Amino acid sequence: AQKVTQAQTEISVVEKEDVTLDCVYETRDTTYYLFWYKQPPSGELVFLIRRNSFDEQNEISGRYSWNFQKSTSSFNFTITASQVVDSAVYFCALSEGTGATNKLIFGTGTLLAVQP
Amino acid sequence: DAGVTQSPTHLIKTRGQQVTLRCSPKSGHDTVSWYQQALGQGPQFIFQYYEEEERQRGNFPDRFSGHQFPNYSSELNVNALLLGDSALYLCASSFLAGGQDTQYFGPGTRLTVL
Repeated sequence: AQKVTQAQTEISVVEKEDVTLDCVYETRDTTYYLFWYKQPPSGELVFLIRRNSFDEQNEISGRYSWNFQKSTSSFNFTITASQVVDSAVYFCALSEGTGATNKLIFGTGTLLAVQP
Repeated sequence: DAGVTQSPTHLIKTRGQQVTLRCSPKSGHDTVSWYQQALGQGPQFIFQYYEEEERQRGNFPDRFSGHQFPNYSSELNVNALLLGDSALYLCASSFLAGGQDTQYFGPGTRLTVL
């Protein structure tokens, strides 16, 4: 069965601290996609990154970095030098099969609060 | 380049009523997916439309139905509303023919059922 677990319900940090959001997934498919979305208080889900199951190369994009490890079924997300504008709910999601446009299975989200 | 748009922004209905929500996909996208997000939860997949047909469906009752028009826009209809249908309804669009594209979300419609 497919499942995404975000064990951290809420995280509070002070501005400029680094923070890592954890994501663990379950799937029987060998081909799948993993995503991170950000949901600010306005409600709109903002796409951050997509990774397919064949691409374990980790990436750094500005203050964001991602760590994908198939051996532990984890896809963690790190914000370096956090800012108040990073405050939002962050969702990890899984899409099974060969197309990234298949249905997304979301975790329950992690609320990140960055204090000034 | 216009993103995904949804209407209305907010809606208040009473139990037993019917509601229609609308979504216009991002320019160049051909696929629309609908999700329901209850307060404090992650979005749950309702269904996906491509070429005016329902392509995938989640675990939602038949009270939830949809439609896709030739211009790729979509409607979500919910009949016989229940209190538990109160949620944020999110529409996402993507490009199925491209196969590798990502689902981009609209701002959502917040439905309150009294």
